[in-house]
Amino acid sequence: GAVVSQHPSWVICKSGTSVKIECRSLDFQATTMFWYRQFPKQSLMLMATSNEGSKATYEQGVEKDKFLINHASLTLSTLTVTSAHPEDSSFYICSARDLGGANEKLFFGSGTQLSVL
Amino acid sequence: RKEVEQDPGPFNVPEGATVAFNCTYSNSASQSFFWYRQDCRKEPKLLMSVYSSGNEDGRFTAQLNRASQYISLLIRDSKLSDSATYLCVVKGGGYQKVTFGTGTKLQVIP
Repeated sequence: GAVVSQHPSWVICKSGTSVKIECRSLDFQATTMFWYRQFPKQSLMLMATSNEGSKATYEQGVEKDKFLINHASLTLSTLTVTSAHPEDSSFYICSARDLGGANEKLFFGSGTQLSVL
Repeated sequence: RKEVEQDPGPFNVPEGATVAFNCTYSNSASQSFFWYRQDCRKEPKLLMSVYSSGNEDGRFTAQLNRASQYISLLIRDSKLSDSATYLCVVKGGGYQKVTFGTGTKLQVIP
C-alpha cells in the first residue's frame, strides 16, 4: 500500500485563489520531503526541499513567497500555491525520504493535478 | 550542463527486444543512484537502485561507471507493460539533494 499520501489528487480553482497540497508519510518519519512540479511531457523539476522544523530550501527560480512550504511535523509537509494563476497549472508531486532500514528509500505521493482557470 | 542528463527518446522497440538507456551526471560527489519508472500522469516508482558493482533484477540490469559518471539500465525481453518513462535519479551534494533526469520514454510495440 501507499506509504506517502498526497491530497488532493486534483483541484480546479479560480485565478487568484490559494491552494494547499498535503503530503503525509504514513508509516515512517520523514525529516526531509521534496516537492516537485511536472509540466506536460517534461521531467520532474525539484521546487524545494522541505525540512522538518526549519525553513524550506528552494531551487533557483522558485518563488518562496508564492510556494509556501510548511513541515511542522515529522509526517506532514504542505505546499500552498498562493494567488494561483493559469501558468501555475501543473502536476505537483511530493516525495519523502525514509532513512530507516539498511538502505535509504524515496517514496512518492500520487501527485496533485492543479488546474487554474 | 544539466546535473543529470538522459536521452528523452522515444525509444520504440518491438516486444522481446533488448534496450539500453544511459544517464550522465555532472556532480562527481554524487553518492547514490536509482532508476525510477513513471507511467503517464502517475507518480514515479522505484525500479531499482544502482550499485557500484552493478546489479540485476530479473530482466533489468543496472550499472554504474563512476569514472565516466554515467549509469545505465538494460531491459531484456521487453514486454508491452515496460512502456513508460524511465527516470535516472542521482543523490548527493551538500544537503543530499535528489535530482531527476529528464526521463527516457520507452514504447514497446507488439
